[in-house]
Amino acid sequence: FMLTQPHSVSESPGKTVTISCTRSSGSIASAYVQWYQQRPGNSPTTVISEFDQRPSGVPDRFSGSIDRSSNSASLTISGLQTADEADYYCQSYDSSAAIFGGGTKLTVL
Amino acid sequence: QVQLQESGRGLVTPSETLSLTCVVSGGSLSSHTWWAWVRQPPGNGLEWMGEIHHSGSTNYNPSLKSRVTMSADKSKNQFSLKLTSVTAADTAVYYCARDGRRGFGAWGQGTLVTVSP
Repeated sequence: FMLTQPHSVSESPGKTVTISCTRSSGSIASAYVQWYQQRPGNSPTTVISEFDQRPSGVPDRFSGSIDRSSNSASLTISGLQTADEADYYCQSYDSSAAIFGGGTKLTVL
Repeated sequence: QVQLQESGRGLVTPSETLSLTCVVSGGSLSSHTWWAWVRQPPGNGLEWMGEIHHSGSTNYNPSLKSRVTMSADKSKNQFSLKLTSVTAADTAVYYCARDGRRGFGAWGQGTLVTVSP
């Protein structure tokens, strides 16, 4: 299956943005979905794991969810800060393989 | 806290074999289930290449399966990647990562490998 993300999103500081990740086949709920943040020149870091779990140190401005009706996962970032500007990737599993979405570039204007 | 560090040649000639090693520190190769390689071509997204279990079991991306071999050395607490018959399309930053089946909880800093004559 594939995970499809919007190529880019933009929003103003202080606002809320949601990034979607749509699974092409099979249920979105059938395997954990993770979200990674990647700033230029850095390795990815986990901001959401297991659909909606925030690792220690990740602000509660970051939240994850799934929507079975649209077969998609979402990452929501509230109270946007300029430091949130980065690429965001969703990731899930297909049997014994990891699948990444194509990534979404978040611009905080 | 586990840390990962990639090493290997940064420049590989087309048709040759790319070889990278990932040293695990602050933890044991046997303490978690899977250890993976993920690559990222310049300006592009993340591509899972495959993974190795501390028992030696492997899973590879079908698109790379014919060219990829992963191995693990528990005595040195490290695992390795070999990619044969490389082309310019294999130019990328290569990351090693730990996969606990709940996502990639630890990543190396990444190493750029350029394929060029």
